[in-house]
Amino acid sequence: GAVVSQHPSWVICKSGTSVKIECRSLDFQATTMFWYRQFPKQSLMLMATSNEGSKATYEQGVEKDKFLINHASLTLSTLTVTSAHPEDSSFYICSAWTGKMNTEAFFGQGTRLTVV
Amino acid sequence: DAKTTQPTSMDCAEGRAANLPCNHSTISGNEYVYWYRQIHSQGPQYIIHGLKNNETNEMASLIITEDRKSSTLILPHATLRDTAVYYCIASAGNNRKLIWGLGTSLAVNP
Repeated sequence: GAVVSQHPSWVICKSGTSVKIECRSLDFQATTMFWYRQFPKQSLMLMATSNEGSKATYEQGVEKDKFLINHASLTLSTLTVTSAHPEDSSFYICSAWTGKMNTEAFFGQGTRLTVV
Repeated sequence: DAKTTQPTSMDCAEGRAANLPCNHSTISGNEYVYWYRQIHSQGPQYIIHGLKNNETNEMASLIITEDRKSSTLILPHATLRDTAVYYCIASAGNNRKLIWGLGTSLAVNP
């Protein structure tokens, strides 16, 4: 299957700092990328959907000023967690989709964020 | 997207077939059934998807009932590396608003 690379795999940051997570589709063009968050023993929760070249659409309850999403090219999307706090510690996962109906999305390996 | 129901957990002996059921009784005509799995501390991995015909690929087979209200994912010869949480998702095909649920935690035992 297609490859989506997410970087970094894990990061520890101090409370109040910002962290950027990158998501790259390596062998296909992704018109749409999705960002999820997963807390321990819970399922994936969609945070936002981004289309290349346009503003991201955030799910209810997700602060757009705190979780900045950029999708500047068809192969790269970034999620920046601004002014991180311990409650932002979670597993963040991106997925990329070509936009072709009835085809699967491909997921990155996830980023474990720990805010201390 | 339609809600799906899966057993919380299942066990399977290594080398045997693993049959993972999924109920999607409210699935609509344009919704596909997708299966993904998530190995601990990794992102989900796509397995297979189908609309109404049975599907097979190098990873698994997907059997969908004629009324489309349920399906079964079959891993023909389970290995220890197949231990993961398996998610069954009904989607209208644009990958938005996927309802993940808690999936089935499959343990493959030696």
